[in-house]
Amino acid sequence: NAGVTQTPKFQVLKTGQSMTLQCAQDMNHNSMYWYRQDPGMGLRLIYYSASEGTTDKGEVPNGYNVSRLNKREFSLRLESAAPSQTSVYFCASGKTSLEQYFGPGTRLTVT
Amino acid sequence: QKEVEQNSGPLSVPEGAIASLNCTYSDRGSQSFFWYRQYSGKSPELIMFIYSNGDKEDGRFTAQLNKASQYVSLLIRDSQPSDSATYLCAVNVISNSGYALNFGKGTSLLVTP
Repeated sequence: NAGVTQTPKFQVLKTGQSMTLQCAQDMNHNSMYWYRQDPGMGLRLIYYSASEGTTDKGEVPNGYNVSRLNKREFSLRLESAAPSQTSVYFCASGKTSLEQYFGPGTRLTVT
Repeated sequence: QKEVEQNSGPLSVPEGAIASLNCTYSDRGSQSFFWYRQYSGKSPELIMFIYSNGDKEDGRFTAQLNKASQYVSLLIRDSQPSDSATYLCAVNVISNSGYALNFGKGTSLLVTP
């Protein structure tokens, strides 16, 4: 039981490049989430998916898109990366939409 | 944006003492409250949740909730150096699409030997 896994662990992008962050969970959770964490800003919700087939915007969705591929997988896409998107990205999943369990994170640098 | 406020710290306590971490929230409709621990460079880890007014104990941890005062706290008894971490308070947010969590910015705890 791996819990929540994220790939890649580290990534460096140039401004304007695109990439997709992958997240998968093996806990049969309905809800999945993407957060970013920046120094002094705490965890901020980007997008979430309450169940397979649904997605909704969080606090900071601009510049991102998501896909809930199936119950296990929830991906986050940056279409045109900007330096302001340099951050640590965490994926989380939850059975009840409330108790959330986090993946190890992706450390993204945009130059 | 509904607020979840925490003192950023650092809160320094000696080994063996009680550490008290506090959190206030602005949404009176919130029903569920969570404490996460985050070690430096690691992901947040759920350590406690509380839904009802009063105290909830789990080992050395006690969560306290007072909905009238919109206040939730975490007590760590017999603090150990391994408890040194950032503690994040989270409160549920209800939207048309479902549930999410709103996190405070965290309190840094340092337990000194």
